[in-house]
Amino acid sequence: AQSVTQLGSHVSVSEGALVLLRCNYSSSVPPYLFWYVQYPNQGLQLLLKYTSAATLVKGINGFEAEFKKSETSFHLTKPSAHMSDAAEYFCALLSGGSYIPTFGRGTSLIVHP
Amino acid sequence: KAGVTQTPRYLIKTRGQQVTLSCSPISGHRSVSWYQQTPGQGLQFLFEYFSETQRNKGNFPGRFSGRQFSNSRSEMNVSTLELGDSALYLCASSPGTSGIFYEQYFGPGTRLTVT
Repeated sequence: AQSVTQLGSHVSVSEGALVLLRCNYSSSVPPYLFWYVQYPNQGLQLLLKYTSAATLVKGINGFEAEFKKSETSFHLTKPSAHMSDAAEYFCALLSGGSYIPTFGRGTSLIVHP
Repeated sequence: KAGVTQTPRYLIKTRGQQVTLSCSPISGHRSVSWYQQTPGQGLQFLFEYFSETQRNKGNFPGRFSGRQFSNSRSEMNVSTLELGDSALYLCASSPGTSGIFYEQYFGPGTRLTVT
């Protein structure tokens, strides 16, 4: 069975500080991994995706994520947080020829001025 | 290219009523998925339609149903509403193929409140 665990339901950072949102996965086959962002009262927007082409994936808005098979992780980072980054972030996994991704519970990013 | 649209955006219903939500996918996308999002349960998959056929189904009671039309537009219906059905219902469309080309594009959601 596949699963996604996002460590920390809330992460608080100061504006300009490093953002690190953690995602660990479990999959018996090589996965495709995604990060989505959700702003209040909106749907999910794709930030980036890992499809085995490169372990370091760059996304929109300055975010990037690194796939580490040995650690079964796909953590999301951004060097310098901006107030506009405050949102809910979801990690998702797709594997085994499935058409339905498995989502983590989400991490709320809070950015302090 | 226009994004995924969902109507209505907000809805208030009474327990026991039924409701129909609509989703128009991105042009050319043949797969439409529906999710229920609540603070307590997070994002839960309801069902997925591809070319008018239900291809996958989540673990929800039979009160939740859906369909897809030949133009890929989709509707979901919830009958005999319960208070616990209050949620944000998200629709997502994708080309319908798995693998490296897979991406889901989400609509803004329909906020359903059951009183």
